[in-house]
Amino acid sequence: AQSVTQPDIHITVSEGASLELRCNYSYGATPYLFWYVQSPGQGLQLLLKYFSGDTLVQGIKGFEAEFKRSQSSFNLRKPSVHWSDAAEYFCAVRGGSNYKLTFGKGTLLTVNP
Amino acid sequence: DAGVTQSPTHLIKTRGQHVTLRCSPISGHKSVSWYQQVLGQGPQFIFQYYEKEERGRGNFPDRFSARQFPNYSSELNVNALLLGDSALYLCASSVGTGTNQPQHFGDGTRLSIL
Repeated sequence: AQSVTQPDIHITVSEGASLELRCNYSYGATPYLFWYVQSPGQGLQLLLKYFSGDTLVQGIKGFEAEFKRSQSSFNLRKPSVHWSDAAEYFCAVRGGSNYKLTFGKGTLLTVNP
Repeated sequence: DAGVTQSPTHLIKTRGQHVTLRCSPISGHKSVSWYQQVLGQGPQFIFQYYEKEERGRGNFPDRFSARQFPNYSSELNVNALLLGDSALYLCASSVGTGTNQPQHFGDGTRLSIL
């Protein structure tokens, strides 16, 4: 069975600081990995995805993520956080012929001015 | 182009009632999936439909059912509502069912059970 762990429930950073959100997955073969962002009262917006190839993937809004097979990780990064980045971030995995997305419990990001 | 649209946006029901939630996928998308998001948790997979056929089902009771119409829109039905069914119900669409095809989500229907 596939699973996702997001170890940090809540992270607070100052505007302009760098950001790294952690994600660890469990899946027996090469996974398909995603990061989504959810603003209050909204649905999920896809930030980026990893399917194969280059392990560093670029997404929207200046986000990037790095796939590390040896660590079963897919951490999300941004060099300089903006106040508008405050939201909840979800990592998700989809494996092989499996049709469903399995999500972590999310990390709530607060940005201080 | 319009994204995934869901209706209604909010709904209040009482225990034992029945509810129908609706979803229109992005134009050209033939697959629709439904997820339940309880407060403080990540979304949980309920169903996937493709070409009007159920392609996958999550660990939800038979009170939950869904269908997809010829225009690829979809309905999620929940019978005999329980307090624990209170959640945000999200619909996602994708071009097909391939694992390399990302799912695009609507803003959800907030269901409250009294």
